[in-house]
Amino acid sequence: DTAVSQTPKYLVTQMGNDKSIKCEQNLGHDTMYWYKQDSKKFLKIMFSYNNKELIINETVPNRFSPKSPDKAHLNLHINSLELGDSAVYFCASSQVQGVYLFGQGTRLTVV
Amino acid sequence: AQKITQTQPGMFVQEKEAVTLDCTYDTSDPSYGLFWYKQPSSGEMIFLIYQGSYDQQNATEGRYSLNFQKARKSANLVISASQLGDSAMYFCAMGPKNAGNMLTFGGGTRLMVKP
Repeated sequence: DTAVSQTPKYLVTQMGNDKSIKCEQNLGHDTMYWYKQDSKKFLKIMFSYNNKELIINETVPNRFSPKSPDKAHLNLHINSLELGDSAVYFCASSQVQGVYLFGQGTRLTVV
Repeated sequence: AQKITQTQPGMFVQEKEAVTLDCTYDTSDPSYGLFWYKQPSSGEMIFLIYQGSYDQQNATEGRYSLNFQKARKSANLVISASQLGDSAMYFCAMGPKNAGNMLTFGGGTRLMVKP
């Protein structure tokens, strides 16, 4: 069973559209995250969501919004997509010390 | 603020030889965790190894070991007996020791294993 799964793996969409990426973890972890990996492979935190407490990276545009229907799910919704949003987005979850697992990534391409 | 530096953008290693990937860090936190991840060309982030700042012994996981030198603020990854499948990007990351905290990543090292 996949511990952290996100869908879709690939997403191609036009500028201005609204899209969502879904993430689910079956590990019972309390904390989930979204990371962005840019074209130079640099990974940066976007959001951390821990027991309904949202911690936002202030550099993330407010067009990006995480939504957590329950502890096992953290979805990423993006409004009014721009060309610069093209990247790979990773969901992750953590709980105990040393356990920090990532999903397989979603490659978003905005055209 | 935390900072991770990986000074080797790319490295070659001969198959079956050992290789060390460098990672230095900077933090003012008294306790923290250090992670290494592998990202193959398929794109997923694969967890390799973890070291807590107060762990007495260096972490090992199969062919992976972490050479942790706290005074020098370094956490180098050693891969023994390299295999062709080890060719990938490798990322060093750190975070506060408590669960539920964000990781700061280095820029990565691309390792290429030569047959």
